[in-house]
Amino acid sequence: GESVGLHLPTLSVQEGDNSIINCAYSNSASDYFIWYKQESGKGPQFIIDIRSNMDKRQGQRVTVLLNKTVKHLSLQIAATQPGDSAVYFCAEAKGFQKLVFGTGTRLLVSP
Amino acid sequence: DTEVTQTPKHLVMGMTNKKSLKCEQHMGHRAMYWYKQKAKKPPELMFVYSYEKLSINESVPSRFSPECPNSSLLNLHLHALQPEDSALYLCASSQVSRDETQYFGPGTRLLVL
Repeated sequence: GESVGLHLPTLSVQEGDNSIINCAYSNSASDYFIWYKQESGKGPQFIIDIRSNMDKRQGQRVTVLLNKTVKHLSLQIAATQPGDSAVYFCAEAKGFQKLVFGTGTRLLVSP
Repeated sequence: DTEVTQTPKHLVMGMTNKKSLKCEQHMGHRAMYWYKQKAKKPPELMFVYSYEKLSINESVPSRFSPECPNSSLLNLHLHALQPEDSALYLCASSQVSRDETQYFGPGTRLLVL
């Protein structure tokens, strides 16, 4: 079947470190992926997206890498801050207007 | 303005009650969505409206009844819910085309007693 999953349920880092959150997907035909950040008590917040014709995309302190060969997606956060503490979801566009979310990774940033 | 608003923030209802959740966006988006999110789980799609018409129903029980009165508003009518329906209900909106970013509201946390 088709699924979007994450390798690690919880990632703990020190403030100032770089964080890498990974995501595996199984549908090789998928061509659009999004990373969302969800803080406690809030809705998912868009961070960055990438289309399958790209391998890398950069935003402010964030970089998304897409490896279509192994069907792997990662989110890199540079100089992680306490405010980055949240649950991070990758999401895969599965058909028109349908997003399938991964299971989520909790990022804990300690000062 | 990339804001999607939802009311109420919290709702407690009995299994015989009728209540409604409301969602509003002013980004000019013509696609609106309802998601359900259980604790420590990812959001799961329930309904999609495109141009105020229901385009996707993910086999949601009829005790959940969506409504899209105009391009800015989305409602979710609740009737005869079960305790297992307790969850965070999220609204989102986007442009109507393939691979468009969906923007989420803060959600309504629902508790069914």
